[in-house]
Amino acid sequence: NAGVTQTPKFRVLKTGQSMTLLCAQDMNHEYMYWYRQDPGMGLRLIHYSVGEGTTAKGEVPDGYNVSRLKKQNFLLGLESAAPSQTSVYFCASSPSGQEYEKLFFGSGTQLSVL
Amino acid sequence: AQSVTQLDSQVPVFEEAPVELRCNYSSSVSVYLFWYVQYPNQGLQLLLKYLSGSTLVESINGFEAEFNKSQTSFHLRKPSVHISDTAEYFCAVTNLGGGADGLTFGKGTHLIIQP
Repeated sequence: NAGVTQTPKFRVLKTGQSMTLLCAQDMNHEYMYWYRQDPGMGLRLIHYSVGEGTTAKGEVPDGYNVSRLKKQNFLLGLESAAPSQTSVYFCASSPSGQEYEKLFFGSGTQLSVL
Repeated sequence: AQSVTQLDSQVPVFEEAPVELRCNYSSSVSVYLFWYVQYPNQGLQLLLKYLSGSTLVESINGFEAEFNKSQTSFHLRKPSVHISDTAEYFCAVTNLGGGADGLTFGKGTHLIIQP
């Protein structure tokens, strides 16, 4: 049972480098989300998507870009990484915008920017 | 817009003792409320939810939460904790009818079970 899969699980970047985090879900969910988790801050929404080909900004979108070219995949990109982007990133998906009891999370990507 | 306040960042408690993790929310409309649990190095898992109906909701592992509209609270309780309950607990809220931008999470409470 896969659910929501995030790759990679760990990554270390130097300031200014770029990278892409991949989120894949096999539940045919329409909605997908990217959150970041920082100590004492809880989870904050970066970007989200309500369907293939659509994306929208969340609470903390600056410095990130996303794409949803295929329904099952949601990519999070950092074009020029900064130390402030050191965090744990979680992807999540749900069938719709009204079925939050069916919100599933991936296991996270720990990113360190030096 | 809605918000969630978890007043306690850490709650230490002895094994087999009762525990309460506090959650208060703010919203101008009716809400759905959730508690999620995060075990070390894992993603979040839904623990229990309030959508409608009975204000007391229960999970399969002995936790319960009560929706109190007048006090805008959704505190999580367990009468007797176990070492395996050590985890981070997040309260979350969304407006009735949902919304495209997902849930609003509290900052989390780290439950520490002491033997």
